[in-house]
Amino acid sequence: AQSVTQLDSHVSVSEGTPVLLRCNYSSSYSPSLFWYVQHPNKGLQLLLKYTSAATLVKGINGFEAEFKKSETSFHLTKPSAHMSDAAEYFCVVSPSGAGSYQLTFGKGTKLSVIP
Amino acid sequence: DTGVSQDPRHKITKRGQNVTFRCDPISEHNRLYWYRQTLGQGPEFLTYFQNEAQLEKSRLLSDRFSAERPKGSFSTLEIQRTEQGDSAMYLCASSFPQGALSGANVLTFGAGSRLTVL
Repeated sequence: AQSVTQLDSHVSVSEGTPVLLRCNYSSSYSPSLFWYVQHPNKGLQLLLKYTSAATLVKGINGFEAEFKKSETSFHLTKPSAHMSDAAEYFCVVSPSGAGSYQLTFGKGTKLSVIP
Repeated sequence: DTGVSQDPRHKITKRGQNVTFRCDPISEHNRLYWYRQTLGQGPEFLTYFQNEAQLEKSRLLSDRFSAERPKGSFSTLEIQRTEQGDSAMYLCASSFPQGALSGANVLTFGAGSRLTVL
């Protein structure tokens, strides 16, 4: 079984300040982990993915995430928030291998960026 | 082909009516997925196809839900005898098969079809 907990339902930051969106996962096997972003009226877009290679993963638009197995965490960070980052962010876990078709999403974190 | 297309984007229907959603995946992708997203929740997996074969359907919410992909290209999701609890965003996604991209199943999502049942 697998599950994802996003620790904050809403995060608000000022433009130009760092962003931290927290995610903890539970998985009975070595998982693949993803962050997706959803802007209003747009499809979910992949930000980055972890697949058992480097534990620090760099994604698009300056985002990165670090896989910490000991803490079962995969937090998303960005050094400096931009107004265009305001959106909903989903942490996602999937099994590797045969079960990889089934993604399990967290409930999402809504990011607000204050000018 | 610029992405995954879904039609209609919005559907309002009365309780008890049948509705059908269509999804056109990225043409090079042979896997196609359906997810449902309710307000305040993340998307939940419903079913998926590899080419025309429906390989997993146990997560379809009830026997009122069915999906097809007859020629391995576009797919339809039908909900019969709709109920107010079916109101949600229905998302389609597509991907290459497992292992084709860095060993991870990277899904490309459409913008979704929003269903409102009155």
